Amino acid sequence: DQQVKQNSPSLSVQEGRISILNCDYTNSMFDYFLWYKKYPAEGPTFLISISSIKDKNEDGRFTVFLNKSAKHLSLHIVPSQPGDSAVYFCAASAGHGGSQGNLIFGKGTKLSVKP
Amino acid sequence: DTGVSQDPRHKITKRGQNVTFRCDPISEHNRLYWYRQTLGQGPEFLTYFQNEAQLEKSRLLSDRFSAERPKGSFSTLEIQRTEQGDSAMYLCASSPSGWREKYEQYFGPGTRLTVT
Repeated sequence: DQQVKQNSPSLSVQEGRISILNCDYTNSMFDYFLWYKKYPAEGPTFLISISSIKDKNEDGRFTVFLNKSAKHLSLHIVPSQPGDSAVYFCAASAGHGGSQGNLIFGKGTKLSVKP
Repeated sequence: DTGVSQDPRHKITKRGQNVTFRCDPISEHNRLYWYRQTLGQGPEFLTYFQNEAQLEKSRLLSDRFSAERPKGSFSTLEIQRTEQGDSAMYLCASSPSGWREKYEQYFGPGTRLTVT
């Protein structure tokens, strides 16, 4: 039973355009959401996060949007660069009402940004 | 480099052997996590320490698995009587203890285990 779902295994985008990565969740106890980027042979790298009390968080080229009623979040990368090519994982945590901050991950979306 | 480090990076072992992995977290982080990642999946939580106390274990952590963090600094993960299904990337992460910051876990490069 997957609590965090990334339904697109892959996404291809032209350099300079917007990349939109989507994530859905089922557990209403989740109160914190994160995006990680992973290159081959490396561990995941923290990218950006959002608390459930917000609906948007922005950091440079990266913006995360949260729609609690739809249990959906998305990561926007604008403009996309070839160096953004990686696997992106959505993760969620139920730290306050649930466990001590351990993260539940989706299966990832492989983003390819073409020059 | 003050990031999370893991040792070894790769381990090949024969079925039935015991293996031990080490994780050194970021020095000021008191929370330490172990995850396992298999091909095509996201990381799956195994266990969590706050300082030296092991506070949570996933049901994925069978009795062949044991983790320790004896002095609240580095941690070890041991797998006894390895099985082919144990082949995976074992990831360690650490985080500080602030109410928000605890969620932002910083991962090491992982130890890739292959059981033949």
